[in-house]
Amino acid sequence: AQKVTQAQTEISVVEKEDVTLDCVYETRDTTYYLFWYKQPPSGELVFLIRRNSFDEQNEISGRYSWNFQKSTSSFNFTITASQVVDSAVYFCALSEGGNTGKLIFGQGTTLQVKP
Amino acid sequence: DSGVTQTPKHLITATGQRVTLRCSPRSGDLSVYWYQQSLDQGLQFLIQYYNGEERAKGNILERFSAQQFPDLHSELNLSSLELGDSALYFCASSHRGRYTDTQYFGPGTRLTVL
Repeated sequence: AQKVTQAQTEISVVEKEDVTLDCVYETRDTTYYLFWYKQPPSGELVFLIRRNSFDEQNEISGRYSWNFQKSTSSFNFTITASQVVDSAVYFCALSEGGNTGKLIFGQGTTLQVKP
Repeated sequence: DSGVTQTPKHLITATGQRVTLRCSPRSGDLSVYWYQQSLDQGLQFLIQYYNGEERAKGNILERFSAQQFPDLHSELNLSSLELGDSALYFCASSHRGRYTDTQYFGPGTRLTVL
């Protein structure tokens, strides 16, 4: 069965520290997509990144970077030089293959960045 | 702003009642999804529609139903409400409704059942 595990429930860092959020997934599909979403205290879910199972290139967007490793079924997210505005719950998600877009979410990691 | 709208933002009702949550997808998106976020279950997929037709069903209770209308907006109906139905209900939309799509989420409707 498809599953996403975010083992870190809560992480607390001091501003300007780097932080990595872990995501491990299970799937029997050979083709799939992985996503990260951010849920700030205001409650909405904000899309951050989408990665397909064929592309293992790391991605960097400003202070954010993502490391996808198919061999370990992991899709980790690193924030460099964290800021207070990064405080949020971060969700990793897996989309099932086929003709449906159903997302399977991890339990989320709450990141608190202290000034 | 994702372009997905949901109304109402908050809803407080009593056990046994029925409510309707409404969602308008982003312009050009044909597929709508409903998710429930609760403290004990996390974010759970409920149901997906594509161009008016049901495409996928998740852990949706029989007391819950949904539909997508010709103008592509969607409604989620929750009936015989129980305390455990209190949750944040998200609508998301995507262009083609396939696993390759990115889903964009609305702001959510917070339902409180008293």
